[in-house]
Amino acid sequence: AQSVSQHNHHVILSEAASLELGCNYSYGGTVNLFWYVQYPGQHLQLLLKYFSGDPLVKGIKGFEAEFIKSKFSFNLRKPSVQWSDTAEYFCAVKDSGGYQKVTFGIGTKLQVIP
Amino acid sequence: EAGVAQSPRYKIIEKRQSVAFWCNPISGHATLYWYQQILGQGPKLLIQFQNNGVVDDSQLPKDRFSAERLKGVDSTLKIQPAKLEDSAVYLCASSRPGQGDYGYTFGSGTRLTVV
Repeated sequence: AQSVSQHNHHVILSEAASLELGCNYSYGGTVNLFWYVQYPGQHLQLLLKYFSGDPLVKGIKGFEAEFIKSKFSFNLRKPSVQWSDTAEYFCAVKDSGGYQKVTFGIGTKLQVIP
Repeated sequence: EAGVAQSPRYKIIEKRQSVAFWCNPISGHATLYWYQQILGQGPKLLIQFQNNGVVDDSQLPKDRFSAERLKGVDSTLKIQPAKLEDSAVYLCASSRPGQGDYGYTFGSGTRLTVV
């Protein structure tokens, strides 16, 4: 079965620090990759996605992620975080199998200190 | 466009009671998903509908959970009887056919507490 690993469960950063959240998946075939964000008290929202082409994808609010196929990774980055980035971030992978099921990682809670 | 609507927002029930959640997807979104998100974990797919047909229910505990999507629009998820470990947020999401690559639109979820 496909699995998604997020290595950092809780990250605390000061404003203006750089962010990198790790995500690795296990599926060996063609995948679509997503990062979702959940701000406190709000529903899950799509932050960015990769399904083909340039492996470096840019999302909303200055976030970007790089798909490295050889490492089965899709790490999320932001050069300078803001207090408003405090949220929980979920990596998700959609496989190319029959049901094209989407599997989510456990999530990473990011706390940005002003 | 209007988002995915879910109700109720919160529900507290005793174990062995029954509960039902309702979801109204975005208009025109033929694919509908129910996810269970237990505290400290990522969302887990329970069931996926394409119109009113079930595409994937491999992780749905069918001895107590059931879901239907009559007429291919609204959907209800039912738990009967509930157990303590069913305490979670139940998320509904929808997408257009063939556009799942663009991600889903999630509702606000229903937070269920079983006591």
